Order: sequence, then structure tokens, then C-alpha cells
Amino acid sequence: DAGITQSPRYKITETGRQVTLMCHQTWSHSYMFWYRQDLGHGLRLIYYSAAADITDKGEVPDGYVVSRSKTENFPLTLESATRSQTSVYFCASSAGNHQETQYFGPGTRLLVL
Amino acid sequence: SQQGEEDPQALSIQEGENATMNCSYKTSINNLQWYRQNSGRGLVHLILIRSNEREKHSGRLRVTLDTSKKSSSLLITASRAADTASYFCATGPSGGYQKVTFGTGTKLQVIP
Repeated sequence: DAGITQSPRYKITETGRQVTLMCHQTWSHSYMFWYRQDLGHGLRLIYYSAAADITDKGEVPDGYVVSRSKTENFPLTLESATRSQTSVYFCASSAGNHQETQYFGPGTRLLVL
Repeated sequence: SQQGEEDPQALSIQEGENATMNCSYKTSINNLQWYRQNSGRGLVHLILIRSNEREKHSGRLRVTLDTSKKSSSLLITASRAADTASYFCATGPSGGYQKVTFGTGTKLQVIP
């Protein structure tokens, strides 16, 4: 079924480990986004990408790395996980720019011990 | 920093009643969107209202925008238990297509 998918849906890791969260969309949307959702903070933008090979920082990029070699994929890597990165991570895509409708994936719940 | 702030933070109503939630923001915007998030799920887009629009309808949803007061409201009429969710506004600042900012949401509970 077409749409936007994330994997894994749940992940437990330890402090200091590298973790990669995957995001895949089938619409060929140009824009893709990574958000984290924490209680009391709403959604905060980590990184976004306007097209393949074009990425830029959002509000809270420290400790994260992204890449976008193909339009449909936008992986998010935590280079050395910290407890403060325990969160729910959402990937989203948009056909237009930042301000058009965003379509969200189901989320990845990450626990860093 | 949060551009949109929803009010109230939580709302509990009986099925069949109307639910109203508000969003206030600080700077000029191109548009404002409302999203719904069911527990444990991703956000789903509900409606987008542009800065030159004052009111928009979609089914049982009615959104208003008052740019002079920098506020928007989302009205859900004849609520159903299935409307139980968190509702977020997302503001798109004016001056080019800058990044949208999501508020912290209103948690709506509709009691059957």
C-alpha cells in the first residue's frame, strides 16, 4: 500500500550506540522531514530535505545526521545515542514546500537506556 | 520556539456536543493548518486556511482565522467518540516558505 512508512516502530538501545531510523515514502514527494515529539514540547523539527542530496537543519539537529541519496528514503541516524534522545520520532513528507500539507508516518518509539 | 499555542490543553465533552479549541500565534503567517493525532499514531492533516481566508469548512470541522488577533479556532460539531485525539495547529510564517511550527496540542476526550 502506498504511503509513508517508518522502521523500526519500536527500538531500545543503550547510551553511546549508533541507531538509524528509516523512512520511506512512495509518493515521490520532494520534501521530507524528521520530527521528535516529547511531552510538553509538541513536535520539533530535527532535519528536513527539499530534494535528493539537499538537507538542512531544523530546530534541534544536534546529535543527529541525515542523508537523502534517493527521493523516497530519508534515514535519520543518532551517531551516539543519549538518554535525552528518548522520544517518539516522526517522519513526514510534502509535495510542495514546508507550508503545504505534510503526511506523517506512524512514528518510531525510541528508548535510550 | 513555539509559534502556535493551543488552548485549552485538555478538553472533555459528551458525545454530540461541540468542541472548540484555539490557537494563538506571534508573528505574521502565510497559512495555518490543523492536524489530528490519535493515540500512538502519526499526525493527520485536517484543514489548511490561508491568511486571506477567514473561515473554512470541511465536514463537521469549521476553522476560523483572525489575523488581527493572531488566532485561529477549530470547531468540531456533533462530536463522536472517534474524535477523541490530540489536535495541533501548525503555523507557516510569512516572508517566503519558512518552516512551519507546531503547537503543543489540545487533548480532546469525547465521552460516549
